[in-house]
Amino acid sequence: EVQLVESGGGLVQPGGSLRLSCGASGFTFSTFEMNWVRQAPGKGLEWVSYISSSGDRIYYADSVKGRFTISRDNAKNSVYLQMNGLRPEDTAVYSCVRRSGDYYFDYWGQGTLVTVSA
Amino acid sequence: DIVMTQSPLSLPVTPGEPASISCRSSQSLLYSNGYNYLNWYLQRPGKSPQLLIYLGSNRASGVPDRFSGSGSGTDFTLKISRVEAEDVGVYYCMQALQTYSFGQGTKLEIK
Repeated sequence: EVQLVESGGGLVQPGGSLRLSCGASGFTFSTFEMNWVRQAPGKGLEWVSYISSSGDRIYYADSVKGRFTISRDNAKNSVYLQMNGLRPEDTAVYSCVRRSGDYYFDYWGQGTLVTVSA
Repeated sequence: DIVMTQSPLSLPVTPGEPASISCRSSQSLLYSNGYNYLNWYLQRPGKSPQLLIYLGSNRASGVPDRFSGSGSGTDFTLKISRVEAEDVGVYYCMQALQTYSFGQGTKLEIK
């Protein structure tokens, strides 16, 4: 069974940093591309970042470019999101999402809540 | 960046009646291989999104055949032939041609 479990969320002050982790199981992690998607409270879905299976291709949404860094460790079956310079508008549930070969997101984690507030 | 625009944003439907959601993209999602890189998701209350339709018109595994996707280029439609109570939630279209972006979401509720 495919499982994606996020951790690392919490309350942080504006300008602060957090590192999110996502542990994967139930599939060959090193062969899949991964993403982070966020959802602000009561709002819609927003794609945040993508990383290829080997980590050689990385993309970010304009809203987080220069502040967030995605990475992965295939030996640990994990993907990470380092978030710096956090702003109140970054408050959201952050979910780790697997991408299939046919360019759709097929498995989502339950997410971890990040709250940016003074 | 590709902007996705859905309509309507709210959709009250009587059970057993059909429903339709429109999704338009600011650029064509039709790639040279003939596929439209447009997917549809349903997010039920309190749950993670689930895939309904991929590459414009392909129903995902386990999705009831009352759901169908159509369209090409910049105009796409998700149709539900007969709405059931379990179809309540927010429907999102998502483009996968240039990184990814979602529509605003369409909230389907039962009348």
